[in-house]
Amino acid sequence: AQSVTQLDSHVSVSEGTPVLLRCNYSSSYSPSLFWYVQHPNKGLQLLLKYTSAATLVKGINGFEAEFKKSETSFHLTKPSAHMSDAAEYFCVVSDYTDKLIFGTGTRLQVFP
Amino acid sequence: ETGVTQSPTHLIKTRGQQVTLRCSSQSGHNTVSWYQQALGQGPQFIFQYYREEENGRGNFPPRFSGLQFPNYSSELNVNALELDDSALYLCASSPLQGRSTDTQYFGPGTRLTVL
Repeated sequence: AQSVTQLDSHVSVSEGTPVLLRCNYSSSYSPSLFWYVQHPNKGLQLLLKYTSAATLVKGINGFEAEFKKSETSFHLTKPSAHMSDAAEYFCVVSDYTDKLIFGTGTRLQVFP
Repeated sequence: ETGVTQSPTHLIKTRGQQVTLRCSSQSGHNTVSWYQQALGQGPQFIFQYYREEENGRGNFPPRFSGLQFPNYSSELNVNALELDDSALYLCASSPLQGRSTDTQYFGPGTRLTVL
């Protein structure tokens, strides 16, 4: 069965500093992995997705993630945080259909 | 702008009642999935519909049911509401069926409170 584990429930950074949100996955086959962001009172927005092409995936708003099979990780990074990045972030794995399996989320706080 | 809309935005019901939530998918999207997001949790898959047929179900009891219509709209029905059904209900549409690489586009959700 597929699953994801988000290693931090909360991450706090200062504006302009790097962001690292950690995610490990478990999958019995080559997975499709996603990062979604959820701003308060808004729906989920896709940041990026990995589908067995390039292992370094670039997404919207300067985010990127690297698929590391040996470490079963798919960490999300951004070089410089912006106040508008404050939100809940979900690491997601897709099963062999397109049922999405979400992690428990990481709340990102950005301080000025 | 994803083009997925949901109604109503908020809803308050009492235990034992029935509720219908609605979703309008993006035009051309044949697949709709429904998710339940409890407070402080990640969304959980309820079920998926493809071309008006149920196409996969998560660990939810039969009192959760759905319909999909030819005009890209869909419904989630919940009977005999329980307090634990209080959550944000999200629908998501995607253009094709059964491909794990497809992007799903989410609506803003319906916040259901059961008293």
